[in-house]
Amino acid sequence: EAQVTQNPRYLITVTGKKLTVTCSQNMNHEYMSWYRQDPGLGLRQIYYSMNVEVTDKGDVPEGYKVSRKEKRNFPLILESPSPNQTSLYFCASSLGVLGANVLTFGAGSRLTVL
Amino acid sequence: SQQGEEDPQALSIQEGENATMNCSYKTSINNLQWYRQNSGRGLVHLILIRSNEREKHSGRLRVTLDTSKKSSSLLITASRAADTASYFCATDAGSQGNLIFGKGTKLSVKP
Repeated sequence: EAQVTQNPRYLITVTGKKLTVTCSQNMNHEYMSWYRQDPGLGLRQIYYSMNVEVTDKGDVPEGYKVSRKEKRNFPLILESPSPNQTSLYFCASSLGVLGANVLTFGAGSRLTVL
Repeated sequence: SQQGEEDPQALSIQEGENATMNCSYKTSINNLQWYRQNSGRGLVHLILIRSNEREKHSGRLRVTLDTSKKSSSLLITASRAADTASYFCATDAGSQGNLIFGKGTKLSVKP
């Protein structure tokens, strides 16, 4: 089944404790992206990647890192999480942005930083 | 940078009624998409309409696009309780064609 898989789905952590949210897609998509969703603010893009070894900042990249060493994986790294990073995170992928960038989303990862 | 803005923010209707949601955007686009999100879950793509199209249908969904007014509408006909969800518009107005999402319309369909 074509899908985007995120892990963990739920995580409670403490301020400053590094964590990684993994994202993997099995559709050979070139484009991958991370979003955070907060009440009243909608979806905001954190980072995106057009292809392997190519990553760019989105609208809210502060406090996050990403890497794209393989086509299928696009992990989101919080080096020193803070309470304002408590949010619902989504990974998404698509064939590419040329023409029409139709995204397939993961199920989401709910992160709480205490 | 917020591009699409949905209206209304929330909508409550009875089963069988039609639901209309609107989206306004600010800059020129190549295409506009609508997505659906069930509570707390990942977004699911519903329909894409290109800038040279005025109307598109998919099952009970009808999307219109007016590029002169920079607006789009999503009509769900004969709504069902299972249509209860949040609906987002997204435009390709971001840098390098990235999608920019609106804040969504929360639709509640009562049985």
